[in-house]
Amino acid sequence: DVKVTQSSRYLVKRTGEKVFLECVQDMDHENMFWYRQDPGLGLRLIYFSYDVKMKEKGDIPEGYSVSREKKERFSLILESASTNQTSMYLCASTSPGAPYEQYFGPGTRLTVT
Amino acid sequence: QKEVEQDPGPLSVPEGAIVSLNCTYSNSAFQYFMWYRQYSRKGPELLMYTYSSGNKEDGRFTAQVDKSSKYISLFIRDSQPSDSATYLCAMSAVAGGFKTIFGAGTRLFVKA
Repeated sequence: DVKVTQSSRYLVKRTGEKVFLECVQDMDHENMFWYRQDPGLGLRLIYFSYDVKMKEKGDIPEGYSVSREKKERFSLILESASTNQTSMYLCASTSPGAPYEQYFGPGTRLTVT
Repeated sequence: QKEVEQDPGPLSVPEGAIVSLNCTYSNSAFQYFMWYRQYSRKGPELLMYTYSSGNKEDGRFTAQVDKSSKYISLFIRDSQPSDSATYLCAMSAVAGGFKTIFGAGTRLFVKA
């Protein structure tokens, strides 16, 4: 089974802190994604990556950056956390052969106070 | 206008009922239509996908796509309490690198 893991299930940070969220997948997938999920808004794409060291902005990249140094790992960085970044963050991966099937991690519930 | 519209519910039905979940969309370039199921405190999981128009059946679940109306549906027959979850529709097009657009999700409760 494909497994996507995220470094933390719950995280509480203070305004202005730098926050790192890590995602690891074990199926050698090329494509990886970071979403945030908010009530009534669904999943919104923050950043995605089709290859190592490659990144593309999604729909809401402001205030975030990403890093992909290894194929299996995709990190999301909040440069200076703000209260409006309190959300559920979900990582996903897909293979090029089945781009319609995204495998999601369990999510990280981030609270910024 | 959002690219994908989905009624957030909640939708509450008795066990055994037929459930109908729907989404509308505006981008005619979408070719893949997916339904994901998300249990509480878990990530979404792909339930079914359809390419282009038509119907697809998998056990108690049927997915329908009507591209002329830009309308997709998921039907659940003989609903069970274990079907209680949030159901998200999702769509993607080949152009644009299969970027997937998700609906807001419909929260479903099936009462025993």
